[in-house]
Amino acid sequence: DTGVSQDPRHKITKRGQNVTFRCDPISEHNRLYWYRQTLGQGPEFLTYFQNEAQLEKSRLLSDRFSAERPKGSFSTLEIQRTEQGDSAMYLCASSTGQGEFKNIQYFGAGTRLSVL
Amino acid sequence: DAKTTQPPSMDCAEGRAANLPCNHSTISGNEYVYWYRQIHSQGPQYIIHGLKNNETNEMASLIITEDRKSSTLILPHATLRDTAVYYCIVRGTYNTDKLIFGTGTRLQVFP
Repeated sequence: DTGVSQDPRHKITKRGQNVTFRCDPISEHNRLYWYRQTLGQGPEFLTYFQNEAQLEKSRLLSDRFSAERPKGSFSTLEIQRTEQGDSAMYLCASSTGQGEFKNIQYFGAGTRLSVL
Repeated sequence: DAKTTQPPSMDCAEGRAANLPCNHSTISGNEYVYWYRQIHSQGPQYIIHGLKNNETNEMASLIITEDRKSSTLILPHATLRDTAVYYCIVRGTYNTDKLIFGTGTRLQVFP
């Protein structure tokens, strides 16, 4: 499968614990995006990387959230001191940034986080 | 990016055409219309996009009105697997960052 891969698919944690999610974009896609989706809502943008540079962060991304893309390939999203309100689906997407379809974002299946 | 308005839900019989409308009355000249769909428990999937001409691919057709203030996504022969939430998104060609999703249209295809 050469699509966007996210790990884990599901994560259950207790309030106050730290969690980390991983996203592997489509090979050679230089842009990578994180979104969050709660029940009944469309995905909401969190942050965006071009190669290893984090170019935009949403106000939704509180200081408990941090994202990295150290070598411009895979990315991690860490949530510290989780709260019940962090329970959501976390989606990753990537795009080529080049050519006719440069702005088409391809999504992974997401990581579903449940904070107890 | 311009805002979009979509009906919250629609039904369609299997094998019939599903026509999903989207209003984007504040769209500007360099903004494209994108359609994505999200099947339950999966990530959104790109379907099609267009600027002002009608577009067709293996998944769907996109009809954009001449004034570009509205568009329709057409699934010519809906199947049960097309049951999903469909999102209409407007964004400029210069935008390389976020997609702004609304709540979309929940399409239910029934046998």
